[in-house]
Amino acid sequence: KAGVTQTPRYLIKTRGQQVTLSCSPISGHRSVSWYQQTPGQGLQFLFEYFSETQRNKGNFPGRFSGRQFSNSRSEMNVSTLELGDSALYLCASRHGTGLRETQYFGPGTRLLVL
Amino acid sequence: TQLLEQSPQFLSIQEGENLTVYCNSSSVFSSLQWYRQEPGEGPVLLVTVVTGGEVKKLKRLTFQFGDARKDSSLHITAAQPGDTGLYLCAGLRYAGGTSYGKLTFGQGTILTVHP
Repeated sequence: KAGVTQTPRYLIKTRGQQVTLSCSPISGHRSVSWYQQTPGQGLQFLFEYFSETQRNKGNFPGRFSGRQFSNSRSEMNVSTLELGDSALYLCASRHGTGLRETQYFGPGTRLLVL
Repeated sequence: TQLLEQSPQFLSIQEGENLTVYCNSSSVFSSLQWYRQEPGEGPVLLVTVVTGGEVKKLKRLTFQFGDARKDSSLHITAAQPGDTGLYLCAGLRYAGGTSYGKLTFGQGTILTVHP
């Protein structure tokens, strides 16, 4: 099976712009989670989608949003970019539930905001 | 708020040495996972521990879950340069049989093993 894929891998934007990142989960996985990774804050949970519904959300401002399509592919959008949004954005697709749960991470999209 | 405190943040050792990484919390987690992340890649799951006091071994890596399910440790015996990377602990809490996709991560430990 192919792993989790994320596009693009690298992105440079300027303050005030918006950006859309894409994630394709492993085939058959219906849950996709998004995380932000920075040197200062580490890995922080953004939100989770399951069957096109957002089921969980982390403590991020409303500028961060996402959606999931019927084929389980997910996108996240950041509007009005700020310098502090520079980070590695990771998505993970989840298999199993409860104690059998395993999350598989993609390689991430590295976003630089100038 | 960082709910999982991981230490040390940096570890630089010589090949063949042993090391331990700690992951502590004031809160109880349903399970604890350990990941390893290499530059340019996403984290890769190493192990999941779910029972208080549980010990799991993965070749030269030994993982332990505290009795109260609030802390965990990763011990590497005879470290090798190939062990170099970022090690992350992550906690899961379940509600209704699911975590709703949320992992709570520690800050990570950057391990460098010199030949």
